[in-house]
Amino acid sequence: DGGITQSPKYLFRKEGQNVTLSCEQNLNHDAMYWYRQDPGQGLRLIYYSQIVNDFQKGDIAEGYSVSREKKESFPLTVTSAQKNPTAFYLCASNPTVNTEAFFGQGTRLTVV
Amino acid sequence: AQKITQTQPGMFVQEKEAVTLDCTYDTSDQSYGLFWYKQPSSGEMIFLIYQGSYDEQNATEGRYSLNFQKARKSANLVISASQLGDSAMYFCAMREGTAFGGGTSYGKLTFGQGTILTVHP
Repeated sequence: DGGITQSPKYLFRKEGQNVTLSCEQNLNHDAMYWYRQDPGQGLRLIYYSQIVNDFQKGDIAEGYSVSREKKESFPLTVTSAQKNPTAFYLCASNPTVNTEAFFGQGTRLTVV
Repeated sequence: AQKITQTQPGMFVQEKEAVTLDCTYDTSDQSYGLFWYKQPSSGEMIFLIYQGSYDEQNATEGRYSLNFQKARKSANLVISASQLGDSAMYFCAMREGTAFGGGTSYGKLTFGQGTILTVHP
């Protein structure tokens, strides 16, 4: 089945550690996105990528990094510079034309 | 300034009745798209309905319809015949500059704060 797979579903991190969230899609979509969601809030854009080896900062990129070495994969690293990393992270993709974005199941990150 | 505003933090509706969830938006682009997503407690984002800025007809998808009033910059979601399974968070979102594809927004979506809908039996 085609779709977006995020792993892990739950992730715990100690303060000061970097952690990488995985996002893989087999939809052959060019564009991919990372969003952050805090409790009871909307989604905010962290990073996005239109094509392989290219990505752009979103509204809240500080403390995060990404790579896009393959079309199918868009991993997000939450670095120790991110002051409040505890949140729900959603990966999405869509074709370049104006269609809806498809979302993964999300990763819930907790800093302990 | 907020680009997407959802003024109803929570809404309650009786099963089998209709409910309207409000959404207003702000953009200077002539070409844009408006989306509604449903987020159950599991966290997944489920696409419901889309309206392009140049679409003359209001979008409909089954029990979902979008009341698009371009001059007022509103795109309210109407859910008819509510079901218990409709209880969830609902988000309005906008993609600027891409009603006909392309543009420079790279398909980025801007989301509102969401409305929690509770359907009572």
